[in-house]
Amino acid sequence: EAGVTQSPRYAVLQEGQAVSFWCDPISGHDTLYWYQQPRDQGPQLLVYFRDEAVIDNSQLPSDRFSAVRPKGTNSTLKIQSAKQGDTATYLCASRDKYEQYFGPGTRLTVL
Amino acid sequence: QQKVQQSPESLIVPEGGMASLNCTSSDRNVDYFWWYRQHSGKSPKMLMSIFSNGEKEEGRFTVHLNKASLHTSLHIRDSQPSDSALYLCAASKAGNTGKLIFGLGTTLQVQP
Repeated sequence: EAGVTQSPRYAVLQEGQAVSFWCDPISGHDTLYWYQQPRDQGPQLLVYFRDEAVIDNSQLPSDRFSAVRPKGTNSTLKIQSAKQGDTATYLCASRDKYEQYFGPGTRLTVL
Repeated sequence: QQKVQQSPESLIVPEGGMASLNCTSSDRNVDYFWWYRQHSGKSPKMLMSIFSNGEKEEGRFTVHLNKASLHTSLHIRDSQPSDSALYLCAASKAGNTGKLIFGLGTTLQVQP
């Protein structure tokens, strides 16, 4: 069974540029999560979906970040105007009835 | 303030030794605890979870939970160099087990 896939694996931007991250969850998993993980720290939840509905986006900086999952399968996380403080790994995870499975992440560096 | 606190921040143990990691939640509504392991450059993978008071063992790994103090601990016996990784504790609430709040992690280094 294929795991969670993410692309791109790496991104390097200048401040003010935009970037999108894409996630394909494990087939059949209705719940999808986006996390931000600064270097050597734990993942911090940004937003999560059940099917196409946003369940919790309270930690998503809404002025610059947006996330969609239009058909309840793949998802896109976008940063409109990146800042140096956004430098982190962005992890996508999907969940069966019990466990969250993480993708390989996108490592973002904002110069 | 971090709602899930882990200690120590880092730990060095000799190969074959015992590693003990701690985690406490400051949110009294938490009911479930999860331990994840993340090797350098890789994604987190779930090791064990615990929901009831007491102890749970899987191979070299043992997890304890004290629900009254909202404290859990992970013990790794006969530690191997391949156990060197970032260990993450996460907590969730009974009504929303899908929303995990992670701690900052404990970095374990097992020296050959």
